[in-house]
Amino acid sequence: EVQLLESGGGLVQPGGSLRLSCAASGFTFSTYAMSWVRQAPGKGLEWVSAISGSGGSTYYADSVKGRFTIFRDNSKNTLYLQMNSLRAEDTAVYYCAKDGAEQVVRVVFDYWGQGTLVTVSS
Amino acid sequence: EIVLTQSPGTLSLSPGERATLSCRASQRVSSSYLAWYQQKPGQAPRLLIYGASSRATGIPDRFSGSGSGTDFTLTISRLEPEDFAVYYCQQYGSSPPGSTFGQGTRLEIK
Repeated sequence: EVQLLESGGGLVQPGGSLRLSCAASGFTFSTYAMSWVRQAPGKGLEWVSAISGSGGSTYYADSVKGRFTIFRDNSKNTLYLQMNSLRAEDTAVYYCAKDGAEQVVRVVFDYWGQGTLVTVSS
Repeated sequence: EIVLTQSPGTLSLSPGERATLSCRASQRVSSSYLAWYQQKPGQAPRLLIYGASSRATGIPDRFSGSGSGTDFTLTISRLEPEDFAVYYCQQYGSSPPGSTFGQGTRLEIK
C-alpha cells in the first residue's frame, strides 16, 4: 500500500524558513517523480515543485522560484521542501504527491499525503 | 501558462441525477494531458481521470471523462451521496514539466 506522510509544518514568521519532509513507502521511490502541491485555506490547488526520480531535475512554479528548494534522499525514501523567505501568501496546507507515471516527470498525481499546514504570520 | 476555467462554480443536484462539469483551457492541452480530481472536506484530492478519459484505479464507472484540445468534461452518470464534493481539473505533461489546476466546481446536494 502506497503511503505518503508529511511533517514539518507549523507557524513561522514572515521572512523565516521551514523544511517539510514526506516519508514514502509501498512503492519503488527512486523510480517516480514527486511533487509538492499546496492549498491555501478555503482556496484551490496550486502545484509548487516537482523532482525527477533520481533527483537530478527539479522544477518550480514562478511563485516560489528562488525561495523554495525541492530535494530527495532515495536511500531514506524521503522527499523534502526547503522553504526560505516565507511570505504570508505561502500559508497553506502542503501536500506531497506521487507522479502517476514511472521514470518520467508527468506531474499527474495518483497518490497524495494527508498534508501539513504551514502558517506564515507575525 | 495554460489557464483552466471550470464551470459552473457550484452545481446543485440530487442523488440519482446526472452531473456534467466543464473545464476549458486557454490554450490547447497537448496529448489530452488533462486530469480530474475529487476532494472532500479535510481530505487530500483523489485522482479520478487522467489522459482526459482514462479512469484511475478503483474509480467507479459512473465517472467518465471526455474532450480534447481546449474543452473537457467530467460526467457522473448517476450521483451517489458520496459524490458530493469539490472537483478540480488539471493540465499536466508540459515541457518543461509544470501544472495548473482549475479553480474547482463544488457539487452540492440540492
